[in-house]
Amino acid sequence: DGGITQSPKYLFRKEGQNVTLSCEQNLNHDAMYWYRQDPGQGLRLIYYSQIVNDFQKGDIAEGYSVSREKKESFPLTVTSAQKNPTAFYLCASSMRRGANTPVTDTQYFGPGTRLTVL
Amino acid sequence: AQSVTQPDIHITVSEGASLELRCNYSYGATPYLFWYVQSPGQGLQLLLKYFSGDTLVQGIKGFEAEFKRSQSSFNLRKPSVHWSDAAEYFCAVVLKDAGNMLTFGGGTRLMVKP
Repeated sequence: DGGITQSPKYLFRKEGQNVTLSCEQNLNHDAMYWYRQDPGQGLRLIYYSQIVNDFQKGDIAEGYSVSREKKESFPLTVTSAQKNPTAFYLCASSMRRGANTPVTDTQYFGPGTRLTVL
Repeated sequence: AQSVTQPDIHITVSEGASLELRCNYSYGATPYLFWYVQSPGQGLQLLLKYFSGDTLVQGIKGFEAEFKRSQSSFNLRKPSVHWSDAAEYFCAVVLKDAGNMLTFGGGTRLMVKP
């Protein structure tokens, strides 16, 4: 089955610790994204990557870091610098827009990881 | 500021009743428009999208949405709600020629009464 997987589903972290959230996709999508969701709010973009070995900051990148060493994987590290990390984190992927595909491509989402800082 | 607004934070309807969830955007140009649904503790599932053409868009699970340029709206509708439709619904937009960045509304939580 093709899709996006995120692990773990639940994650607990002590204050001051870094933690890495996994996101893997086998959809052959070029672009991948990380969003944060807080209760009663919409999703906010943390980081995105349009292609391997390249990524860009989103609206709320402070306290987070990412890597994109493989097309299939886009791990997110929540660092101790993130002041309020407790949230639901969602990963998404899409085909990359190219010169011959002017219409934007739909983003498909993983099941999410709920991070709680103790 | 450019934004997406879902005016209703919570909506409760009776099973079998019709449903309309509102979405308004404030952009100078017509964006690409999406509706996603999220069940508790789950990721988002795409219900439907509008890029161009017919302004009435059909989606999965019996949902439809109508784009109204004059009102900058993209309201989601369903003629008869099922208990399994209880979830949170998000409207999202992507500005043309601005990459593929989704901007989400704050969401509307739908509750269905038996």
